[in-house]
Order: sequence, then structure tokens, then C-alpha cells
Amino acid sequence: NAGVMQNPRHLVRRRGQEARLRCSPMKGHSHVYWYRQLPEEGLKFMVYLQKENIIDESGMPKERFSAEFPKEGPSILRIQQVVRGDSAAYFCASSPFPGTQGGSYGYTFGSGTRLTVV
Amino acid sequence: AQTVTQSQPEMSVQEAETVTLSCTYDTSESDYYLFWYKQPPSRQMILVIRQEAYKQQNATENRFSVNFQKAAKSFSLKISDSQLGDAAMYFCAYKTGANSKLTFGKGITLSVRP
Repeated sequence: NAGVMQNPRHLVRRRGQEARLRCSPMKGHSHVYWYRQLPEEGLKFMVYLQKENIIDESGMPKERFSAEFPKEGPSILRIQQVVRGDSAAYFCASSPFPGTQGGSYGYTFGSGTRLTVV
Repeated sequence: AQTVTQSQPEMSVQEAETVTLSCTYDTSESDYYLFWYKQPPSRQMILVIRQEAYKQQNATENRFSVNFQKAAKSFSLKISDSQLGDAAMYFCAYKTGANSKLTFGKGITLSVRP
């Protein structure tokens, strides 16, 4: 089992460009979560998705950020018109069951994508 | 709102010694779960140990154990027989049973002296 795969590992974008971050969950996991880690901070929840559905996007900035988890393929976190403040590590996690059911197992995280905006 | 506080930014321990990392949380929920995650320089977030709030018995995983004080809302991690590979950032995290979000503390950097 390859675990949660995120790519790219590092991404450099100029201000105003678009950033697309990909996450392939563990085999058999249909629930995906995105978190953002700013320097010297803990991870902050952004969005929770199931296949073809956004379940909870309460942590997503209102503008420029979007996420999807299509029926086929990886989950994508998209940041349009990036700004320097978007520079952070973005983590994806997955679970085999809904995040609202119990939760004693925690989630399996990927190694993150470090986005640098120059 | 739930909060998780890790007040110590850094700690250091001698190899083979024991170290305790502190964490407090604030919640009005009764159904919740607590976690410690390890983040080595590779950036991978690794689940170290978890605790269900309804369980009175402290969780243990090999050299890692917790001291869960529910009334005090305290959840500390004890690492026994520290090894060089334990050097990393450690994050305390909280989750309710009815919510999908993990709430993380700011983390603590643990260094292990040979």
C-alpha cells in the first residue's frame, strides 16, 4: 500500500499564477481532507471531501481556493492568482470511513506539498 | 471553539532518557478523541498515539504513553528510552466524534542529544 501520495512535493509559483496540488488517497479510502501548515504553526483544516462531494469547506478561504475529488483520479486543491501569503505546506489526509463517524483512528497523512510563491 | 495549546516550543532530552511533552485543550464536548502526531524533517505526519475521551485507561504504544487528565483537560505524551530517531516536531491534536476536523496545537520541537 503506497499510502497517501501528494505531488508535487515542492511547487514554486509566481504571484498571480495558479497552483494545483494533487492528492491520491490510500487504496480503499474515499474520504479526503486538506490541511495547511504555515511556518511555525500547526496544521489548519481546510476542506473535507468525499468522491464528487464537498462535505465541509468551513476552513477554506472564500476566494481563490477550490477543491474537488472526482469519481476518478486524485483530489485537487486549486489556488488561483496566488499571493505570497499562500506560501505554506499543504497536507492531504485520507480515511476509509466518514470523518464524522467516531474518529479514534485518526487519519493517514501524505508528506505534503510545499508551495512557495515568489 | 475548541483549542489545543502546546506551551513549550522546544525540548531536549538525552538519549535513553524519558521526556514528557505537554498539551492542554479546551472543549465543552463529551465525545472526543486526542492524538499525538510526529513530524520528522521529511514532513510526513505520523500518528504516534491516540486516546478516546471515554476511556479512563491511558493509551500506550511501546515506548510512547500518555497521561490523560480529563478533568484538567490535559494530554501529555511521555517518551521512554528516547532514541535519536525520536527527534522531530510533535503535534497534539483534538477531534470530536461528530466532526471531521482535527484541531492541532502549534507543536513542539524535540531534540535528542547523543
